[in-house]
Amino acid sequence: DAGVTQSPTHLIKTRGQQVTLRCSPKSGHDTVSWYQQALGQGPQFIFQYYEEEERQRGNFPDRFSGHQFPNYSSELNVNALLLGDSALYLCASSFGDGETQYFGPGTRLLVL
Amino acid sequence: GENVEQHPSTLSVQEGDSAVIKCTYSDSASNYFPWYKQELGKRPQLIIDIRSNVGEKKDQRIAVTLNKTAKHFSLHITETQPEDSAVYFCAGNFNKFYFGSGTKLNVKP
Repeated sequence: DAGVTQSPTHLIKTRGQQVTLRCSPKSGHDTVSWYQQALGQGPQFIFQYYEEEERQRGNFPDRFSGHQFPNYSSELNVNALLLGDSALYLCASSFGDGETQYFGPGTRLLVL
Repeated sequence: GENVEQHPSTLSVQEGDSAVIKCTYSDSASNYFPWYKQELGKRPQLIIDIRSNVGEKKDQRIAVTLNKTAKHFSLHITETQPEDSAVYFCAGNFNKFYFGSGTKLNVKP
C-alpha cells in the first residue's frame, strides 16, 4: 500500500522563475492538501483539492495555484518566485472530509 | 485567520519522565484536533487525534485531552524514551487546518 509521494525531493530556482511540484496521494485517498513549512515553523495551509476543484484556500497570493487530476494526484505551481518562497512544501492526502491527513516527504525548494 | 498557540517551544526531559505540550485556540470552532511528530528532515507523522465529542483519548504512552469550553488541548507522553525526541505540532480543523508553531522535545538518556 503506497503512501503519499512527492517529487522532486529538492529544487533550486532563481527569483522570478516558476516551479511545479507534484504529489501522489495514498492509495484510496481522494483529497490532497498543500502546505508550506518554513524552517522552524509549523506547516501553513495553502489549499485543498477535492474532485479536481479547489475546495479551500489559505492566505496565499494568486502566484500559488494548483491542479488535481482524475487519478487524484495533484500539482502545486508557484509563479514569479520570491526569496521568501524558500521552504519545505508538503502535501497531505485524506479521504472525503479531509480530516485525517497523511503527509508526503516534502519538496525542499530553495530560491536564490 | 485562526490562531493556534503552542507551548512550550522547547521541552527537555529526562528519560522515563512525562512530557506535556499545550495548545490553545481562539474563536473559531473545530471538531478535530490532530497531533503530529516530525523528526529532523522527515515528514510530519500523525501520532494521535481527538474529536470534539470526547474529552480524552489514549494510545499506549500517548494521550490527548481536550477542553472545548476553555479552547485548549494537550498532548501527554508518559515514560519518555530517547526516540520520542522530535518536534511535535498540534493542529485544528477550523474549516481550514491551522498548525501550532511546534515544540521541540529532547529526551535525555
